[in-house]
Amino acid sequence: DTAVSQTPKYLVTQMGNDKSIKCEQNLGHDTMYWYKQDSKKFLKIMFSYNNKELIINETVPNRFSPKSPDKAHLNLHINSLELGDSAVYFCASSQLLAGVQFFGPGTRLTVL
Amino acid sequence: GENVEQHPSTLSVQEGDSAVIKCTYSDSASNYFPWYKQELGKRPQLIIDIRSNVGEKKDQRIAVTLNKTAKHFSLHITETQPEDSAVYFCAASSGDFGNEKLTFGTGTRLTIIP
Repeated sequence: DTAVSQTPKYLVTQMGNDKSIKCEQNLGHDTMYWYKQDSKKFLKIMFSYNNKELIINETVPNRFSPKSPDKAHLNLHINSLELGDSAVYFCASSQLLAGVQFFGPGTRLTVL
Repeated sequence: GENVEQHPSTLSVQEGDSAVIKCTYSDSASNYFPWYKQELGKRPQLIIDIRSNVGEKKDQRIAVTLNKTAKHFSLHITETQPEDSAVYFCAASSGDFGNEKLTFGTGTRLTIIP
């Protein structure tokens, strides 16, 4: 009965590869997010979706493409991975835009 | 856009003492201010929040104060315990209706010394 889940938990890959991270929430929330947390622990919003519609795209390179097939899922596909993409990626959801956010467990991406 | 500054970046306090973490924000239209706690290797979790129509809110050992005039809000933890050791993030909600987002501070690593 996990509220917000992400897969995989760890992802180790070579530069130039393409990878995807999946997120699902069973809270019935309308809004979902992707955050990036770098090695200094800075937590920065990348995207937010409300009812499957992209609301916020925080000047993220277009190598990053989110997709929301339905309100309960938000996936993140990353093309041509670079060393600087190494970070922990958190999915989150909330009932209201910018309301109380419930975070997933995170996906630690390491690009070699 | 909104800018949230958080101080200090690290804080060590003796067990049983109080800890205070301060944040300032730039957008006077911001109206929601949550605090998240992130334990090592875990996800951020909401511990307390405050809206702009309230000056103070308390939940057991945790309290948050908000000064809208100064655009400043603080987290207060009293009678600290070892399990309070974590990274704490403040955040502020801003943006036009239908385009709101949370902007997080840079985090404070709190260490409780037994």
